[in-house]
Amino acid sequence: DIQLTQSPSFLSAFVGDRVTITCRASQGINSHLAWYQQKPGKAPKLLIYAPSTLQSGVPSRFSGSGSGTEFTLTISSLQPEDFATYYCQHLNSYPLTFGGGTKVEIK
Amino acid sequence: QVQMVQSGAAVKKPGASVKVSCTASGYTFTSYYIHWLRQAPGQGPEWMGMIDPRGGGTTYSQKFQGRVTMTGDTSPSTVYMEFSSLRSDDTAVYYCARDVADNENGYYGLFDCWGQGTLVTVSS
Repeated sequence: DIQLTQSPSFLSAFVGDRVTITCRASQGINSHLAWYQQKPGKAPKLLIYAPSTLQSGVPSRFSGSGSGTEFTLTISSLQPEDFATYYCQHLNSYPLTFGGGTKVEIK
Repeated sequence: QVQMVQSGAAVKKPGASVKVSCTASGYTFTSYYIHWLRQAPGQGPEWMGMIDPRGGGTTYSQKFQGRVTMTGDTSPSTVYMEFSSLRSDDTAVYYCARDVADNENGYYGLFDCWGQGTLVTVSS
C-alpha cells in the first residue's frame, strides 16, 4: 500500500499568512494526488487534484504542486474560513490511502 | 445539484452487522463509481471499497474483505454498505462518496461529492 506522510501535523498561523503543507508518498505516484479540507462535523471537501487543478468554486488562494513523491498545498493568504484540517490522498491505484492530516489553527 | 444522502446513525453490539444506505440525486446514477470510506474519531479517512452502479462490480480493501458487502439499486439510485462482525474499533463515521476520477488516464478515487456521514457506534 502507498503510505502518505503529511507535515506538519499541526500549524498555528495568523490571518493573512502564507501557509504550506507537504505530503510525501512512499513510492512515486506521478501527479496522482488530491487535497481535501475538512471542518469539524462535516465531510471532507475536494480542493485540488492532479496535483494543481483547482476544483470548481475553490478560491484561487489555494494552489497545489509536486510530482513523484513530494507534493505541497499552499494557501497564499490565510482567511478565517480556512482554519480546518487538510488531508492529502493518492489517486494512483487501489487501495486508496490518505495522509494523517494537518490541522490549521488560528494564532 | 449533486447530492448523496445517507441513512441515520446506528448503535450496534459487538458481533452484529450494520447496513448503511446512500441515495444519490442530481446526476446519472450509473455514470460514476461510488466509494465507501470511514473515519474514526480523531483519524483521517480510511478507504473501504467501491461499487460500479452500472453493473454492480465491486473492489474492496483487503483490510475489510470478508466483512463488507456493497450493493446497488438503480431505482431508487441507492447503494448499500453492509458491514458484519462489528467490533468496538469499528466505531466511526461512515461516508459514501462519488468518484469522478479519469480511470482511462490512470486516476482512481477522486471524490467530488460526499454523503453527510453515518455514525456507527459499536458498544456492548
